[in-house]
Amino acid sequence: GAGVSQSPSNKVTEKGKDVELRCDPISGHTALYWYRQSLGQGLEFLIYFQGNSAPDKSGLPSDRFSAERTGGSVSTLTIQRTQQEDSAVYLCASSKPSGGAETQYFGPGTRLLVL
Amino acid sequence: QKEVEQNSGPLSVPEGAIASLNCTYSDRGSQSFFWYRQYSGKSPELIMSIYSNGDKEDGRFTAQLNKASQYVSLLIRDSQPSDSATYLCAVNMQGSNYKLTFGKGTLLTVNP
Repeated sequence: GAGVSQSPSNKVTEKGKDVELRCDPISGHTALYWYRQSLGQGLEFLIYFQGNSAPDKSGLPSDRFSAERTGGSVSTLTIQRTQQEDSAVYLCASSKPSGGAETQYFGPGTRLLVL
Repeated sequence: QKEVEQNSGPLSVPEGAIASLNCTYSDRGSQSFFWYRQYSGKSPELIMSIYSNGDKEDGRFTAQLNKASQYVSLLIRDSQPSDSATYLCAVNMQGSNYKLTFGKGTLLTVNP
């Protein structure tokens, strides 16, 4: 595709429910990243995928958060038993690594509100 | 704790002036530096990347890097109201060629 796409664009859920957020990276980009941005805060790294594997999950805030990537393309971030503090914008980015730092291109984000 | 620090602002400049945005980082081994622009309610958009000491110019934007001082800046010449946004500094820390550590951003307002 032309850019990184994410769905849904907005999600309102009740505390305790599970949610799934989807990211479709730029075609050909093997690296995929999830970030979280809370109101007035910077971007917080959550997880990094290279292909289908996740060599760095260090940013996941708790075991309620998980992510997977299939076919080296689409990724899903799942938050189980959502809490109000999970409310944030979840941003996905992709890049085409070439052995060094590569530009990350961001999707439009999913705005999650947990009531 | 590896950090990236920015003045939160707001930084207010008149139209046509030079806006100067600053960023410091804690990891002396950092190699790659990025400036992203984020309009309210939108996702970050890459403005500039810089890897070597000195200046890098792209149109009205100039990124400046001083690794000895652990300092990176973004100058916007001939500022326009459309430049009003939050500017995020991002750094690849040593040992990680993929993870970006972001500052909290500086809000820039360009007044007509």
